[in-house]
Amino acid sequence: TQLLEQSPQFLSIQEGENLTVYCNSSSVFSSLQWYRQEPGEGPVLLVTVVTGGEVKKLKRLTFQFGDARKDSSLHITAAQPGDTGLYLCAGLQSSGDKLTFGTGTRLAVRP
Amino acid sequence: SQTIHQWPATLVQPVGSPLSLECTVEGTSNPNLYWYRQAAGRGLQLLFYSVGIGQISSEVPQNLSASRPQDRQFILSSKKLLLSDSGFYLCAWRHRGTYEQYFGPGTRLTVT
Repeated sequence: TQLLEQSPQFLSIQEGENLTVYCNSSSVFSSLQWYRQEPGEGPVLLVTVVTGGEVKKLKRLTFQFGDARKDSSLHITAAQPGDTGLYLCAGLQSSGDKLTFGTGTRLAVRP
Repeated sequence: SQTIHQWPATLVQPVGSPLSLECTVEGTSNPNLYWYRQAAGRGLQLLFYSVGIGQISSEVPQNLSASRPQDRQFILSSKKLLLSDSGFYLCAWRHRGTYEQYFGPGTRLTVT
């Protein structure tokens, strides 16, 4: 069973602070997605990274795929209360039809 | 554009009653379809997925079953609900050969 471990599990920070969420595995993935989920709603896709070492930016969010395509990170600059939610990473193996989801990171940004 | 629907949005059912949750996708054809369950505020557990009509793969032995009677319809069922079936059920779709997977709004099931 492939596992994606996210850290930290919980994060509570003040508005304006920076943070990084990590997503680690011993397995290689052909792609990795990051989702954000708000209470009572389905996860919303934020980004897909495909190439080892790839970096993508979405406004204040920076996503990086590890060189070996086994890990990823999400960095948020100057966090805002609207960033509050559950962040999930998910990896797709090249031979698979299904995503492997991470354990999730719950972020709370206090105004 | 593609949209995915789930209903009902919320459901309260007694133990031992049957269950039927429905998911439909619009604006695409021959998608892979997925059912997940999510415990409170945590990650997603894949229950079933389907790569075509009538083709169902089960990931976790359980009290649930799935069917795909039409290309864009995916149904999650149970003959007799257990308390442990409570949770947030999510349907998702993805085109084979692509990376992006999209989720429906979810169904909150409470078994009492």
